[in-house]
Formats: sequence, structure tokens, C-alpha cells
Amino acid sequence: SQQGEEDPQALSIQEGENATMNCSYKTSINNLQWYRQNSGRGLVHLILIRSNEREKHSGRLRVTLDTSKKSSSLLITASRAADTASYFCATGKGGSEKLVFGKGTKLTVNP
Amino acid sequence: NAGVTQTPKFQVLKTGQSMTLQCAQDMNHEYMSWYRQDPGMGLRLIHYSVGAGITDQGEVPNGYNVSRSTTEDFPLRLLSAAPSQTSVYFCASSRTPTARDQPQHFGDGTRLSIL
Repeated sequence: SQQGEEDPQALSIQEGENATMNCSYKTSINNLQWYRQNSGRGLVHLILIRSNEREKHSGRLRVTLDTSKKSSSLLITASRAADTASYFCATGKGGSEKLVFGKGTKLTVNP
Repeated sequence: NAGVTQTPKFQVLKTGQSMTLQCAQDMNHEYMSWYRQDPGMGLRLIHYSVGAGITDQGEVPNGYNVSRSTTEDFPLRLLSAAPSQTSVYFCASSRTPTARDQPQHFGDGTRLSIL
């Protein structure tokens, strides 16, 4: 079963606005990853945040991790139409080689 | 670099037929995995491998078989196709023998329809 669950399931915003997506998970983790999937394509890795990190930045992306609340958020600032995609969180936990994906948030950025 | 290459990109099968989905990576990655993606279900792990000669089951392994005879290749076999196996299949790889602490590199998928 899915470990991470993204919220909201779908998000529609205007170009230039910020987009925030959330991920909640159930058990302790080693790290959390965010991926993007454009329509008809494979997933592309965006950012990895470890359990001892609270915040990480990459360009217009900002990821936070709150292990006490078992949640993470992905913020995309100054969104562009090209950011239109589905975004997935994935968690890895100690003792397991596997990565478990959530169901994703579908982001639409309107020009 | 080609990265992760999946073939074929599209396939239509009849119920009961068998076929092999191919996956190859040229990055000398140790970990390889197969996922299926269905609407509203996200990605679910079918099988994975932490190195040549080692495979293990994921969340939804029934009806699928894998082998890993080389580091580069990780084929997925459908033994007797069923309509419930209609899905998009993704192969992924990562550098170390664990997916949890390394970015995974994905292929562009195989879209499979079972009639």
C-alpha cells in the first residue's frame, strides 16, 4: 500500500503564482523524494531530503520536511506553464531497499 | 547517454498471450525496478533487483516474472496476459543497491493493452 499521500489531488493556478503540494506518510523514513511526471513521459527526480534535514532548495523549488508530523511540502515559486505536470512524493524507510510512491498531485499552470 | 531504455513503447495483446517488456540501462546502476501506473493508483512496485542475479517481489508481483542476468538488463515477463494487466509499465534504476537514498532514473514507459 502507498506510504505517501499527496494533497491536493489536483491544483490549478495562474502563471506567476506559487504552487504548494503536500505529502503525508505513515511510518518513519530515511528520506523523502519528489518527482515530476509530464504527460506521457517517465518520472523525473526533482529533489531528495533526508530525515535529518528540515528544508532544501533547488532553483524555484523549496521542499520542507516535518518528521514529527510525518509530512513534507513542495513549493514551486513563480510557476510557469511548463511546470504543468503530476508531482509525486516517494519515501524510503530503513531496512528496505524499496521506494514507495504516493498517488500524485496533478498541477495545471494556466498561461 | 541513453539512460533507461524501454521497449516496446506500445503493445496490444490478447488475453492469454505472453510477452516480455525490455528494460536496459547504460549507467552501470545496481538497483533496477519495475512499476505499473494505473489511473488513481499512483506507481506500484512489481519486482526489483539489487544486483545481477538477485531479484525480489514488490507490492503487486502476481502474473509477472523477472530475471537479472546482467547489470544492464532487467526484462519483465507477462506469463499469461489478463485484462487487469492493462497499464503503463515503467522501469527505473538507481546507482546503489537501494532505491531509498538515491534518485531513481525512469524510462518513458511501455503502454500495454490486453484485450
